[in-house]
Amino acid sequence: EVQLVESGGGLVQPGGSLRLSCAASGFTFSSYWMTWVRQAPGKGLEWVANINQHGSEKNYVDSVKGRFTISRDNAKNSLYLQMNSLRAEDTAVYYCARDLYYDGFDIWGQGTMVTVSS
Amino acid sequence: EIVLTQSPGTLSLSPGERATLSCRASQSVSSSYLAWYQQKPGQAPRLLIYGASSRATGIPDRFSGSGSGTDFTLTISRLEPEDFAVYYCQQYGSSPRAFGGGTKVEIK
Repeated sequence: EVQLVESGGGLVQPGGSLRLSCAASGFTFSSYWMTWVRQAPGKGLEWVANINQHGSEKNYVDSVKGRFTISRDNAKNSLYLQMNSLRAEDTAVYYCARDLYYDGFDIWGQGTMVTVSS
Repeated sequence: EIVLTQSPGTLSLSPGERATLSCRASQSVSSSYLAWYQQKPGQAPRLLIYGASSRATGIPDRFSGSGSGTDFTLTISRLEPEDFAVYYCQQYGSSPRAFGGGTKVEIK
């Protein structure tokens, strides 16, 4: 079964750090771009970052540039999002998704909640 | 940066009716790299349409997408009870791969 499972969410104070993980199974992880999308409570979807198959190309939304880092470990079939200098406005459910690049995001995880609050 | 505006914000319809959702881009979306997603409460989004008009795997043919350039449409020909949800458009032809604000299709 093709599956993505996120972990690592939780409660963190403003200015703190958190590392999210996304474990992939059921497909050849190293063949695909991967992406992170977030959704603040009661709000719409916001694309956060993506990474190419080899980890050599990364793109970010302006609001997280310099604070978040996307990475991957193809040997472990895992995607990561290192989040530093967290702000209240980063509070959201974070989803990882398989990025077909020219055909949308076809597989999504169940999401992990990140709450930034003192 | 391309901004996507979806309308209406909420669509109140009855099962069996036709739903027409609009997505307008602030500038042309290259090569029709426009997707539509469905999201139900407490669930992850599901890809419905990519390339503006191609249905994703397993998506019923009552869902159809059309449009090009800056104007795109998602049509649900006859609403089934399970179709009441929020729908998002997304452009992925340039970075950032922005989503629209969403249209909620609710039961009238």
